[in-house]
Amino acid sequence: GQQLNQSPQSMFIQEGEDVSMNCTSSSIFNTWLWYKQDPGEGPVLLIALYKAGELTSNGRLTAQFGITRKDSFLNISASIPSDVGIYFCAGQLFTGNQFYFGTGTSLTVIP
Amino acid sequence: NAGVTQTPKFQVLKTGQSMTLQCAQDMNHEYMSWYRQDPGMGLRLIHYSVGAGITDQGEVPNGYNVSRSTTEDFPLRLLSAAPSQTSVYFCASSYSETQYFGPGTRLLVL
Repeated sequence: GQQLNQSPQSMFIQEGEDVSMNCTSSSIFNTWLWYKQDPGEGPVLLIALYKAGELTSNGRLTAQFGITRKDSFLNISASIPSDVGIYFCAGQLFTGNQFYFGTGTSLTVIP
Repeated sequence: NAGVTQTPKFQVLKTGQSMTLQCAQDMNHEYMSWYRQDPGMGLRLIHYSVGAGITDQGEVPNGYNVSRSTTEDFPLRLLSAAPSQTSVYFCASSYSETQYFGPGTRLLVL
């Protein structure tokens, strides 16, 4: 299967700090997605990216589709306690219907 | 709309037992899929379906069967449970690129 390398694996930050995480692949993806998973829940879509170079925001979240189509970045500005959770990237190839997920970044926000 | 529902929420099985994890969606989505989530490994695709009567294997299909007789339902069957199948299972449905996940089923195989 496709390998999506997501980093960092975990982050511990102070409330109010900005957060950056990224996802890289050896394959070229048609679509990049970012999800958040709260404890005991299923992942929820945060941002979807469809074009190389695209920069999309959702409130304090900003994500970018890498120019090479092999990577994507997620930034969270001015973190708050409810940002705590696991963030996953996911990609979809040009061919097929499957979505491939990264291993996740666990975010802890210290008040 | 209830979205994507999964039952049961928790299940304990003995090795060799069989069971079916239920998944239903009321959004009329054609694409449905099953994932398992294990610590440090993200979500891995087990099986997926692009419409009623059509299913296909994902990354980790061994030990699991699926069927899709209706648009709404996509059950996952474990024919002979093994400890390696201890995991959290998520069902998802989607229209285009946006996937909606159910709340998950936590399965322990002893």
